[in-house]
Amino acid sequence: NAGVMQNPRHLVRRRGQEARLRCSPMKGHSHVYWYRQLPEEGLKFMVYLQKENIIDESGMPKERFSAEFPKEGPSILRIQQVVRGDSAAYFCASSPAVGGASYEQYFGPGTRLTVT
Amino acid sequence: AQSVTQLGSHVSVSEGALVLLRCNYSSSVPPYLFWYVQYPNQGLQLLLKYTSAATLVKGINGFEAEFKKSETSFHLTKPSAHMSDAAEYFCAVSDRGSARQLTFGSGTQLTVLP
Repeated sequence: NAGVMQNPRHLVRRRGQEARLRCSPMKGHSHVYWYRQLPEEGLKFMVYLQKENIIDESGMPKERFSAEFPKEGPSILRIQQVVRGDSAAYFCASSPAVGGASYEQYFGPGTRLTVT
Repeated sequence: AQSVTQLGSHVSVSEGALVLLRCNYSSSVPPYLFWYVQYPNQGLQLLLKYTSAATLVKGINGFEAEFKKSETSFHLTKPSAHMSDAAEYFCAVSDRGSARQLTFGSGTQLTVLP
């Protein structure tokens, strides 16, 4: 059973460009979470999605950031007009549906975004 | 809002010595509690979790943690450190309600000395 997949693993963008980060959850998981880890800091929650629905985006910056989890395909975290402060590691996690849940989340290897 | 405090951003132990990493949470209702380990340039791996069963939780790689409601603590221990335990460790909490996001502590970097 493949784990959570993220690509690309490393992404370099110039200021003002767009960054697209992809996440494929574990097989059978329908809940996806995005977290950001700034240098020397812990992970901070950004957004929680289910298929075709944003459940909680309370951790997302109000501008330039968006996320989706379409019916088919991976979840996408999109950052428009990147700035140097967006440089961080972005982690995706997935979990099973509520009901059978142990509430544990399985993390991908992360995408390390560098803005030059 | 939930918060998690990890005392000691850096902990060093000798190989074979006891590992103790501290975690305190703030919540009036006991949350779900987790410990994750992160090796350099990798994602997070779940070590163990507390969800309301036994207060002493055993995890992978010989780690265990004890939930103490009176102290609002969930400290991570391992009786004998191994060189391969060197990594960053994160304590996290999740609300028992509908919110499922994890709130992480700032992490503790564990160094194991030969």
